[in-house]
Amino acid sequence: DAGITQSPRHKVTETGTPVTLRCHQTENHRYMYWYRQDPGHGLRLIHYSYGVKDTDKGEVSDGYSVSRSKTEDFLLTLESATSSQTSVYFCAISEGASEKLFFGSGTQLSVL
Amino acid sequence: AQRVTQPEKLLSVFKGAPVELKCNYSYSGSPELFWYVQYSRQRLQLLLRHISRESIKGFTADLNKGETSFHLKKPFAQEEDSAMYYCALRGRGNEKLTFGTGTRLTIIP
Repeated sequence: DAGITQSPRHKVTETGTPVTLRCHQTENHRYMYWYRQDPGHGLRLIHYSYGVKDTDKGEVSDGYSVSRSKTEDFLLTLESATSSQTSVYFCAISEGASEKLFFGSGTQLSVL
Repeated sequence: AQRVTQPEKLLSVFKGAPVELKCNYSYSGSPELFWYVQYSRQRLQLLLRHISRESIKGFTADLNKGETSFHLKKPFAQEEDSAMYYCALRGRGNEKLTFGTGTRLTIIP
């Protein structure tokens, strides 16, 4: 497995609270992505990064922000969690824009 | 806009029977197509991509631009093929990979 670590693995939180998920890589890959996985929707891109401090929105970015201050870390923040953000969140990395993605193990987030 | 459609949420096939997982796409330019697989308790991983035209674990997929399809096929299903399969598309020069909704394949012994 590529060196990708997501933390926490599981998180239960209350509506309205801020939540930060972390993705850490040891591969020195340029690209990092955050996806959410939901039944009936598959995987949907939230945000991605193409370098330190370089990020862009995906198809479901509302309610989420990201930061990448170091090559190895990509943080996903839910500013004020809502029940609709209950999901499994996957981080992925790739060496280049046209290269294959390597995925993390996922974070199960429940917003009550 | 780029879109991927996997019409089957669930597919059950007997061991030894042929498998075909359907994938159709919508993209105005020249796409790159992929199949990703998630086995139980494992990470999502690349199964194959149309550019390489290789066969992985007996699976093949041919890009049909006329029908805008990239169906995944295997002539003889094995129990270890049970998994969740995602078709994905990336437009040329685009950094974003768009996934379909996935098909859960179950191989019946």
